[in-house]
Amino acid sequence: VTLLEQNPRWRLVPRGQAVNLRCILKNSQYPWMSWYQQDLQKQLQWLFTLRSPGDKEVKSLPGADYLATRVTDTELRLQVANMSQGRTLYCTCSAVGGRDERLFFGHGTKLSVL
Amino acid sequence: GDKVKQSPSALSLQEGTNSALRCNFSIAATTVQWFLQNPRGSLMNLFYLVPGTKENGRLKSAFDSKESYSTLHIRDAQLEDSGTYFCAAEPGGSAKLIFGEGTKLTVSS
Repeated sequence: VTLLEQNPRWRLVPRGQAVNLRCILKNSQYPWMSWYQQDLQKQLQWLFTLRSPGDKEVKSLPGADYLATRVTDTELRLQVANMSQGRTLYCTCSAVGGRDERLFFGHGTKLSVL
Repeated sequence: GDKVKQSPSALSLQEGTNSALRCNFSIAATTVQWFLQNPRGSLMNLFYLVPGTKENGRLKSAFDSKESYSTLHIRDAQLEDSGTYFCAAEPGGSAKLIFGEGTKLTVSS
């Protein structure tokens, strides 16, 4: 059963352009939604966790700038800007504070720099 | 330094053999999770652990919070076990996991 739907699956991003990613939660039992990045060396790194509609956060990491927004209880967005190195962005969901705090991953969005 | 250190970084197994992967933590982890990433990039949750052990089919995992390590044992390795295994530690009370660098496992016939 798919818990998360991410789109697009892949995007070629011209240098200097921003790209918008979207993630839809299919199961409200896991409302804590997060973004993780995986770099070209396969290292996974937490970016953001946003629980409530209206939550926004920004972050700059080597190779990209990020703006994350929890739009609704089921939708999470990520804007990626100034990307200089390719990466894959994963949306995740979990149930924090309960007995089962497993983290579940979406299929990911692979970004390549043009 | 590395907060979550995985070993080995790569491993080759023959079908039917057994092996173990390990994670050492330099942070105070309250829970540990293990994931398998297949060659297409999909990440699957294998285990969520508080201190103790869990078993699921041919996989068994243990987490010792006092000694700050976790292990994943694979019994009777199969071709479909190939992929990259990640462990991740959670310092406590959040959805933020700190990942190791992964162990790339190749199972051959």
